[in-house]
Amino acid sequence: GAVVSQHPSWVICKSGTSVKIECRSLDFQATTMFWYRQFPKQSLMLMATSNEGSKATYEQGVEKDKFLINHASLTLSTLTVTSAHPEDSSFYICSARKTGRNEQFFGPGTRLTVL
Amino acid sequence: GDSVTQMEGPVTLSEEAFLTINCTYTATGYPSLFWYVQYPGEGLQLLLKATKADDKGSNKGFEATYRKETTSFHLEKGSVQVSDSAVYFCALSSPNNFNKFYFGSGTKLNVKP
Repeated sequence: GAVVSQHPSWVICKSGTSVKIECRSLDFQATTMFWYRQFPKQSLMLMATSNEGSKATYEQGVEKDKFLINHASLTLSTLTVTSAHPEDSSFYICSARKTGRNEQFFGPGTRLTVL
Repeated sequence: GDSVTQMEGPVTLSEEAFLTINCTYTATGYPSLFWYVQYPGEGLQLLLKATKADDKGSNKGFEATYRKETTSFHLEKGSVQVSDSAVYFCALSSPNNFNKFYFGSGTKLNVKP
């Protein structure tokens, strides 16, 4: 199989705090992971591409200082939303690509609510 | 740039009806095409895929054929079930664009008993 997990599945935080979301590939190694954001009833928007051992590549319009991405191992990438505000409330989904394959396996998503 | 256009929803059908969800794409080179399904509150699951022209992807009664001449990848199912109610996303990935995935806007399918 190719299972990707995310933790936490949901989180509520106060405005101004930081939140870390983990994305793990459970049964395969993923050189590349991706972070998406999904607003209600909308499609997924690619935020950044996370490569193991190197800096993430951010899509245009995504603030790299606000959405910190770390890909420290072949099975773990983290997204930290710094100084979160209510407009950061969204569904965040990660995906992982098996090395050598052009197919992404998606995590179940993390719903972030900022009060 | 690369993009995917899907028919807007929601699509409401009765059980056992025929389903078509249109998807067209714009891409450089020769992309791979995908259909993903998302159930409420969950992440995306790969439904089917096709990697080259004229390929037909199929899974769980769903089918889609990669048509390069019309740049389309329409999703079809001959007889839908209530359990098929979900949001369906068409997506492409192009090696000319670092294999990034681009998703359509999604089409919500409601199947009534």
